[in-house]
Amino acid sequence: ETGVTQSPTHLIKTRGQQVTLRCSSQSGHNTVSWYQQALGQGPQFIFQYYREEENGRGNFPPRFSGLQFPNYSSELNVNALELDDSALYLCASSLGGSVYSGNTIYFGEGSWLTVV
Amino acid sequence: SQQGEEDPQALSIQEGENATMNCSYKTSINNLQWYRQNSGRGLVHLILIRSNEREKHSGRLRVTLDTSKKSSSLLITASRAADTASYFCATGDQGAQKLVFGQGTRLTINP
Repeated sequence: ETGVTQSPTHLIKTRGQQVTLRCSSQSGHNTVSWYQQALGQGPQFIFQYYREEENGRGNFPPRFSGLQFPNYSSELNVNALELDDSALYLCASSLGGSVYSGNTIYFGEGSWLTVV
Repeated sequence: SQQGEEDPQALSIQEGENATMNCSYKTSINNLQWYRQNSGRGLVHLILIRSNEREKHSGRLRVTLDTSKKSSSLLITASRAADTASYFCATGDQGAQKLVFGQGTRLTINP
């Protein structure tokens, strides 16, 4: 139990639609990051928010966007869904700092997105 | 792009045996972390080893790090059926605030 909760746990969308995934960070954590994990692969970094500002982005197109709210919860939005967007989307929270320096991040259970 | 590469990709052993997984990475690191993922679920942080450490223990887990070879290993001793999961190594990217994961080792413990 990491204290990071995500919703929904599973959803099915049609190609071209839009989806919003939600994440509640562990209490007191001001940094949230999102990862995409395709079946059989390791997680890939999408972006990170620190105190409501995006402060890092991976190699994902602009149709992947996010928000962080004053209570540090977060949303991941994906527009114009493609079949390849089918994956497990993981949210992770941490108390600021740098993962390079060893700051521990805590993952939620993820949201399974299937695009048909 | 993946930073770490785990080896083997899949490992199946009998309960009670030891399981060893290896990870290689490409760039210089400050630390390396190992995570566990039960089928289709979230990642659980297992252990972090810093670049100035060579070995670290946590319960039945032993992690080694060889920065000259850019490699790490995770040893699980006296394996249990509940250890069945995928195991990932990850490094912190110096330029961006992100973890870079390998593709993982799928470990199956047979009762």
